[in-house]
Amino acid sequence: QKEVEQDPGPLSVPEGAIVSLNCTYSNSAFQYFMWYRQYSRKGPELLMYTYSSGNKEDGRFTAQVDKSSKYISLFIRDSQPSDSATYLCAMSGLAGGTSYGKLTFGQGTILTVHP
Amino acid sequence: DAGVTQSPTHLIKTRGQQVTLRCSPKSGHDTVSWYQQALGQGPQFIFQYYEEEERQRGNFPDRFSGHQFPNYSSELNVNALLLGDSALYLCASSGGTGSSYEQYFGPGTRLTVT
Repeated sequence: QKEVEQDPGPLSVPEGAIVSLNCTYSNSAFQYFMWYRQYSRKGPELLMYTYSSGNKEDGRFTAQVDKSSKYISLFIRDSQPSDSATYLCAMSGLAGGTSYGKLTFGQGTILTVHP
Repeated sequence: DAGVTQSPTHLIKTRGQQVTLRCSPKSGHDTVSWYQQALGQGPQFIFQYYEEEERQRGNFPDRFSGHQFPNYSSELNVNALLLGDSALYLCASSGGTGSSYEQYFGPGTRLTVT
């Protein structure tokens, strides 16, 4: 079983839709949770970064972490065609632990927002 | 402010050869991590360098080695290339005055082994 599971999709939505992207994980040591966006043939771009449980909002993006369920989500409101990309969740542990310093990624979800 | 830069952009090598990839971190960052991303997969952690030493290593064989220089730039070396080493190699930087957990990626080097 992989430490981080992410549905690869692909996910296709109309412009203006609310998009929900999710990951589950098995390693309780993970404390930091990130979402990256990756356009074709480019490096991943950091979108959101959250510590422990709770919500974080940045413009049209909201990240949620539920550590009790080992489940994280990214919501995109009013989705735009420019949001079409692969979305990767990533996780890391605290300093001193074996998962510190390295990001463990999900497989990535391919999102297409059509006009 | 220059972000993370990597060179070369693309590389084609033959099985058994050796390759060196290079990375310059974002200004103010002192930690460099390397990842391998196969097509359709998420990046896999190779190793991380801090203060010119390997601080953390993923499940990659010893054919993968690295180095960090005093100016924080880094190299990834892969010996005895296999067809399965074909992938996008990503460098990420972090640290300095920012959070060490926020890693910023370069555009990657696409390596093809024939």
